[in-house]
Amino acid sequence: QVQLVESGGGVVQPGGSRRLSCVASGFTFTRHAMHWVRQAPGKGLEWVAVILHDGSKNYYADSAKGRFTISRDNSNRIYLQMNSLRVDDTAVYYCARESGISILGVVDHWGQGTTVTVFS
Amino acid sequence: NFMLAQPHSVSESPGKTVTISCTRSSGSITTNYVQWYQQRPGSSPTTVIYEDNQRLPGVPDRFSGSIDSSSNSASLTISGLTTEDEADYYCQSYDSSSPHVIFGGGTKLTVL
Repeated sequence: QVQLVESGGGVVQPGGSRRLSCVASGFTFTRHAMHWVRQAPGKGLEWVAVILHDGSKNYYADSAKGRFTISRDNSNRIYLQMNSLRVDDTAVYYCARESGISILGVVDHWGQGTTVTVFS
Repeated sequence: NFMLAQPHSVSESPGKTVTISCTRSSGSITTNYVQWYQQRPGSSPTTVIYEDNQRLPGVPDRFSGSIDSSSNSASLTISGLTTEDEADYYCQSYDSSSPHVIFGGGTKLTVL
């Protein structure tokens, strides 16, 4: 079955950096675009970034542009490099699978999330 | 980017049917697929409806999705409500012009 397992969360100071990872299993990784979605404490879901199935293109929410970088490699992993972190980046970060190669915004599976706390 | 507006909360009794709306602020609701996600307290989201009205394997047929172009909205209908259906429900679509994934603000469903 499809499994997405995130890691890399923790406490970081404002202005610091953190790299999140998500390892995928149970499906052909190279046939799916992949997303990061976050949820601040007590708030709703917020899309962060998406990367195409082959890593050739990626797109970002305005809140992430210029600070976050999404990437993927051949070990069935995607990453989210987060720089210049702010207090309002505090959230649970979810890895999520797009249903196919193209980006249509159709998410069909989610990970369990990893928590990033930006705190001084 | 367009916005997706959902009611903040809805409540209904066990065994009844509830419908949660999701209204697109600009552009046609039919332009891009709408998905619905369920998030129970303390859990990660799960997909209950994708591509407007499709259910993933394992999602009960009590859950159904629809699109209404006249009101430019999507709806999630849950019949035969049980306490297990108590959760936050989010609609979501895609702005292909940006491109950005857009979430609604979420609706808290209480079954009492």
